[in-house]
Amino acid sequence: SQQGEEDPQALSIQEGENATMNCSYKTSINNLQWYRQNSGRGLVHLILIRSNEREKHSGRLRVTLDTSKKSSSLLITASRAADTASYFCATDPDRGSTLGRLYFGRGTQLTVWP
Amino acid sequence: GAVVSQHPSWVICKSGTSVKIECRSLDFQATTMFWYRQFPKQSLMLMATSNEGSKATYEQGVEKDKFLINHASLTLSTLTVTSAHPEDSSFYICSASSGTIRGGTEAFFGQGTRLTVV
Repeated sequence: SQQGEEDPQALSIQEGENATMNCSYKTSINNLQWYRQNSGRGLVHLILIRSNEREKHSGRLRVTLDTSKKSSSLLITASRAADTASYFCATDPDRGSTLGRLYFGRGTQLTVWP
Repeated sequence: GAVVSQHPSWVICKSGTSVKIECRSLDFQATTMFWYRQFPKQSLMLMATSNEGSKATYEQGVEKDKFLINHASLTLSTLTVTSAHPEDSSFYICSASSGTIRGGTEAFFGQGTRLTVV
């Protein structure tokens, strides 16, 4: 399986604190993406980082990628109660030209308390 | 971003019947669509890759005859769960991609379909 593994599985913090989630994967990748899912809902794309990039920012999100360690981290700064959701990393494996096929990690359930 | 519409958003069916789920790309042509399945509090598992005009490619362990996929046009892919059983109850999500650019492109996800088989 090419599924990634998120760590931690669950994270509970207060509003205003930073939340850091980690993701490890098994094989070489084309890119790695982070998604958010509210309970029982569809996925919202957060950020994509390519294999030749090391860090990327988008608003309160910061993503790092270490291909030598096959790991990535997602940092949400100044968290809000509305950030409460499940967060998944997904890898686009570097094999062939079928882009968009993703393998998801197990996810981190983030709860932000007001 | 591009919009992918999935229908229905939820469905309840009797055991033994078949259920069809539609996935449409509304404002772009999706050469490739993907179908995922998600059990409660678990991750999304890729089921199959659907290419317009050709047979779907199924992931290992996914029954082709159970989960029929048709991608007849560049904007529509359908997943039919045949002879559904309670263990098929799950959240099914599709995604669509138009990208063939190396370096990657995001896939756009539908809102998902919750299937309950009774």
